[in-house]
Amino acid sequence: DQQVKQNSPSLSVQEGRISILNCDYTNSMFDYFLWYKKYPAEGPTFLISISSIKDKNEDGRFTVFLNKSAKHLSLHIVPSQPGDSAVYFCAASERNTGKLIFGQGTTLQVKP
Amino acid sequence: DAGVIQSPRHEVTEMGQEVTLRCKPISGHDYLFWYRQTMMRGLELLIYFNNNVPIDDSGMPEDRFSAKMPNASFSTLKIQPSEPRDSAVYFCASSFHTGGEAFFGQGTRLTVV
Repeated sequence: DQQVKQNSPSLSVQEGRISILNCDYTNSMFDYFLWYKKYPAEGPTFLISISSIKDKNEDGRFTVFLNKSAKHLSLHIVPSQPGDSAVYFCAASERNTGKLIFGQGTTLQVKP
Repeated sequence: DAGVIQSPRHEVTEMGQEVTLRCKPISGHDYLFWYRQTMMRGLELLIYFNNNVPIDDSGMPEDRFSAKMPNASFSTLKIQPSEPRDSAVYFCASSFHTGGEAFFGQGTRLTVV
């Protein structure tokens, strides 16, 4: 039972354009959401997060949007750069238990 | 701090052998997670600890898998006996508090032949 789902295994965009990565969750107890980036042969690294009391959080080129009613979040990268090419994982946390669940990941390729 | 340290980086073993993966979390972190990366499930949570106590091991696939955290600076994930389908990259991560950012190690690539 996949509680955090990333339904798009891959995404390809042109340099300078917007990249939109999507994530859905099923557990209404999740109250904190995170995005991680992973390069080959490395561990995932934290990118950006959002609390369930907010609907948007922005950090430079990266913005995360949360739609609680739809149990959906998305990561926007504007403008996309070739160095953004990596696997992006969505994660959700239950603060009262500390449990941290990840999705399947989406491979982003940004073409020059 | 050197970050989360996992060893070995690569492990090749024969089916039926015991495998032990090791993790040293970041000092001061009180949560430790073990994940397995597969194409189908992405980063699959196997087990996590809070203050060295296992909180949820419902992700451990079979009784062949076991994990321990004897102290705040060390954890092991053991597979006995190992099978080819256990081949994957195993990650350890630690965090300072619930809902906070978790920091990952470099992972251990396990190959069971």
